[in-house]
Amino acid sequence: DTAVSQTPKYLVTQMGNDKSIKCEQNLGHDTMYWYKQDSKKFLKIMFSYNNKELIINETVPNRFSPKSPDKAHLNLHINSLELGDSAVYFCASSQGTGNTGELFFGEGSRLTVL
Amino acid sequence: GESVGLHLPTLSVQEGDNSIINCAYSNSASDYFIWYKQESGKGPQFIIDIRSNMDKRQGQRVTVLLNKTVKHLSLQIAATQPGDSAVYFCAEYNTDKLIFGTGTRLQVFP
Repeated sequence: DTAVSQTPKYLVTQMGNDKSIKCEQNLGHDTMYWYKQDSKKFLKIMFSYNNKELIINETVPNRFSPKSPDKAHLNLHINSLELGDSAVYFCASSQGTGNTGELFFGEGSRLTVL
Repeated sequence: GESVGLHLPTLSVQEGDNSIINCAYSNSASDYFIWYKQESGKGPQFIIDIRSNMDKRQGQRVTVLLNKTVKHLSLQIAATQPGDSAVYFCAEYNTDKLIFGTGTRLQVFP
């Protein structure tokens, strides 16, 4: 059983398109996250949700809109894709918020914008 | 400001030797630190963590050392194996966010 699963694993699309990445966790965790990893492997937090409520919203363009239908799911929708959006996007989950414990990561979704 | 940095971008070690990966952090108020391992094509995987009330913690073949005086963290891997080849990240909790360092690539050669 995959603890944190993301789909799709790979996504290739044209500039200007709109795309979504889905994430599900079966760990019973309350908090979910989206991180972006660039070509230099730098991992940066984008969003965090706790029990479907947004608690962290970093300086991310408003073309990025997370949605959490329930605490086991956190999806990421991106409008008007740009070349700079090309990256690997990781979903993660944790039991609580703050420094209560480790984050469990998915396998990543590699987005390539042409 | 917020920053977690690593001294060496790439570390090459011979199989069987011990590896030491270093990390500097800037926020003296950070009280929880985690080391992650990321293999090619996979997500970061938890290795070991340490809270600021400790200066050393040991796991299976891994040890994390925390020096709060100089804001330095290290990960020691004993008897490094080919399967240890990966990118290693230190991360610190800073105002409820887990902030990652830039990563060190560990290469193990026979």
